Amino acid sequence: AQKITQTQPGMFVQEKEAVTLDCTYDTSDPSYGLFWYKQPSSGEMIFLIYQGSYDQQNATEGRYSLNFQKARKSANLVISASQLGDSAMYFCAMSFKETSGSRLTFGEGTQLTVNP
Amino acid sequence: EAGVAQSPRYKIIEKRQSVAFWCNPISGHATLYWYQQILGQGPKLLIQFQNNGVVDDSQLPKDRFSAERLKGVDSTLKIQPAKLEDSAVYLCASSLEVSYSSYNEQFFGPGTRLTVL
Repeated sequence: AQKITQTQPGMFVQEKEAVTLDCTYDTSDPSYGLFWYKQPSSGEMIFLIYQGSYDQQNATEGRYSLNFQKARKSANLVISASQLGDSAMYFCAMSFKETSGSRLTFGEGTQLTVNP
Repeated sequence: EAGVAQSPRYKIIEKRQSVAFWCNPISGHATLYWYQQILGQGPKLLIQFQNNGVVDDSQLPKDRFSAERLKGVDSTLKIQPAKLEDSAVYLCASSLEVSYSSYNEQFFGPGTRLTVL
């Protein structure tokens, strides 16, 4: 069975500093995708970044980068130059193929607080 | 392009009452998902539609939850009768197609926050 683990219920970072949010996963499927979503207090889920299991390079999107270590089954999110608006809940999710298509499995989330 | 629309945004009901949520996905998106997100947890998939057919409803409590997607566009999720443990945010998401690759970017609506008293 596929499983996503986020071990940090809460993280604090000073504005303009970098922060790493941890995510580990468990799957026996060789083909899978890893996503990070941001959920502000308003509730909507905002897509941040994607990494495919066969991608050779780590994904980057602006201030977001994904530190993908396949052998360790980890997909940590790095946010550089934190901003006050980055304060939110962050979810790691994994997609995998099934005969009926693909589905997302989410971790429990990490609450990030950026201090001024 | 317009995002995923959901209504209502908030709903308060008493246990044993019924409630319905509505979702309108992004135009052209064939796949629609309903998630339940209990406070402090990640979203859990309840049901997945491909056009107007059910792809996966293995985690839907079918004794009280039902969902439909007539005409393959908008969808309703119903709870009847509601229990206290149904208090949660119900998120609707859509994606362009059923993806047979590992890439499946889903676009989420703002959610409906349900409180059952």
